[in-house]
Amino acid sequence: DTGVSQNPRHKITKRGQNVTFRCDPISEHNRLYWYRQTLGQGPEFLTYFQNEAQLEKSRLLSDRFSAERPKGSFSTLEIQRTEQGDSAMYLCASSPTTGTSGGFSYNEQFFGPGTRLTVL
Amino acid sequence: RKEVEQDPGPFNVPEGATVAFNCTYSNSASQSFFWYRQDCRKEPKLLMSVYSSGNEDGRFTAQLNRASQYISLLIRDSKLSDSATYLCVGPRGGSYIPTFGRGTSLIVHP
Repeated sequence: DTGVSQNPRHKITKRGQNVTFRCDPISEHNRLYWYRQTLGQGPEFLTYFQNEAQLEKSRLLSDRFSAERPKGSFSTLEIQRTEQGDSAMYLCASSPTTGTSGGFSYNEQFFGPGTRLTVL
Repeated sequence: RKEVEQDPGPFNVPEGATVAFNCTYSNSASQSFFWYRQDCRKEPKLLMSVYSSGNEDGRFTAQLNRASQYISLLIRDSKLSDSATYLCVGPRGGSYIPTFGRGTSLIVHP
């Protein structure tokens, strides 16, 4: 399977614990995005990487959230001291950066299946 | 005003009906728009890109109205399998950050 993969698919944790999620993007994609989605809402932007550089982070993201993409390939999202309000689906997406190449369009994104986090 | 706004619906239509969704955007400099489809408890999947000249793919037509700052998605001859949430996306503030609307729910019934 050459799509975007995410692990784990589900995570249940107790309030105050740290959790880490992993995303493996499509191999030739330079851009990688993290989103959070709650019921009845669209995906909410968290952060994105161009290769290994984290170029933007949402102002809504507290200091408890950190993301890395150490070699410009896979990425991890860590949430420290989880709170019940962190319960959501965490989605990763990757995209190419060029305009039209191999049929891709500017900013077209491909999503992974998501990690569903439940904080008790 | 939110950067991308959608009527959440639900739109409840019979099979065979034509249904249209609109999505308004606030940043007039926005250049690229997309429609995604999201099934219940699944990830969003790209449905269509939205070009200035419009875009048609089978029963689906997407259009961009720059003067009124909205994009639209038209679905003709609705099928039961079209039941899903449709998300519109536009870049935020002229950046490369895609901003999603909250989605419009479509229910196609027999």
